[in-house]
Amino acid sequence: GAVVSQHPSRVICKSGTSVKIECRSLDFQATTMFWYRQFPKKSLMLMATSNEGSKATYEQGVEKDKFLINHASLTLSTLTVTSAHPEDSSFYICSAPGGRDTEAFFGQGTRLTVV
Amino acid sequence: GQNIDQPTEMTATEGAIVQINCTYQTSGFNGLFWYQQHAGEAPTFLSYNVLDGLEEKGRFSSFLSRSKGYSYLLLKELQMKDSASYLCAVLDSNYQLIWGAGTKLIIKP
Repeated sequence: GAVVSQHPSRVICKSGTSVKIECRSLDFQATTMFWYRQFPKKSLMLMATSNEGSKATYEQGVEKDKFLINHASLTLSTLTVTSAHPEDSSFYICSAPGGRDTEAFFGQGTRLTVV
Repeated sequence: GQNIDQPTEMTATEGAIVQINCTYQTSGFNGLFWYQQHAGEAPTFLSYNVLDGLEEKGRFSSFLSRSKGYSYLLLKELQMKDSASYLCAVLDSNYQLIWGAGTKLIIKP
């Protein structure tokens, strides 16, 4: 099946710095990517939908200036957490939609810890 | 609003059978997915149902009743490695996945 590669898998950064997370579709072109955030023992929370060649669509309550999303090509979407704070520590996962009869394809996830 | 309900946690014994239920109320329906997620990892696909009935795949089976807004995931011959969270997700009329909160399954020897 289709493969989505997410990098890095783990990152620890200092408060106030920015962190970039990459999500690549390896064997297919993804015009849309979803970015999720997952808190411990909670389900996936959709943060935003990135669209190749246009602005991302953010869910209500998600700060677009803090979570910058860029979908520069059909195989790469990036999420940048700007001026990170400890409360941004979380598990971030990207996925490419599978459409009607196919499951969504997930990246491996990124564990972000802000100290 | 859109809502998906599943139990928070279930416990079962190794070798036994367990059924995890999921009820949903969504704007439109284009299929229901079950995913397995181990702690610290991304979800992995288990099953997809769009028509009523039972889909069997090895030790795992998934059932759907669209009229009742109901699905279940059935796990047979439970193994310790089946300890994980099981997520129910519905593809709505906009082809957006709506996620349940997940059911944490604990397997005891």
